[in-house]
Amino acid sequence: AQSVTQPDIHITVSEGASLELRCNYSYGATPYLFWYVQSPGQGLQLLLKYFSGDTLVQGIKGFEAEFKRSQSSFNLRKPSVHWSDAAEYFCAVGAASGTYKYIFGTGTRLKVLA
Amino acid sequence: DAEITQSPRHKITETGRQVTLACHQTWNHNNMFWYRQDLGHGLRLIHYSYGVQDTNKGEVSDGYSVSRSNTEDLPLTLESAASSQTSVYFCASSPGVLYHEQFFGPGTRLTVL
Repeated sequence: AQSVTQPDIHITVSEGASLELRCNYSYGATPYLFWYVQSPGQGLQLLLKYFSGDTLVQGIKGFEAEFKRSQSSFNLRKPSVHWSDAAEYFCAVGAASGTYKYIFGTGTRLKVLA
Repeated sequence: DAEITQSPRHKITETGRQVTLACHQTWNHNNMFWYRQDLGHGLRLIHYSYGVQDTNKGEVSDGYSVSRSNTEDLPLTLESAASSQTSVYFCASSPGVLYHEQFFGPGTRLTVL
């Protein structure tokens, strides 16, 4: 069965520091992968997605993610965090077998220190 | 601009009452989904639909029902609200295209007393 693990429930970084949020998935075939961000009281906004091609994917707001098949990972990175990046981040995996459903991770809440 | 809306945004109800949460999208998407968000669980799929008259159960469907009579709307009904159903509910939609992202509504915060 598909699953997604986000090992870090909370992460705190200082403004200007680099950021890496971890996401590990379990799926037998080639998955398609997403990162979403949820600001307080808001819905989810897509940051980036991967389903084939270049394993380094660029997204909005300066975020990028790298798909590593050997490690079953799709970690999200940002070189320099801004205070406005404080939010909750969700990794999701979809199956490439004809279903449109996703499995979401439990989320990582990011706190940014001024 | 196309969008997805949910109403109400906040709702307080009592145990045993029937509650319906509305979801309306103007994207003309075939696929619509209902999730609940709870601390420590992320988003869990309640029900989903791939088109008019099509509905399917997700992983946490007990106590919930949906119906799809047109493309734009997928209302979620709690047949007899329970305190365990206090949560934030999100509706999402996507076109019938593989690998396409889902678009999310702003959410409904439901409290069952």
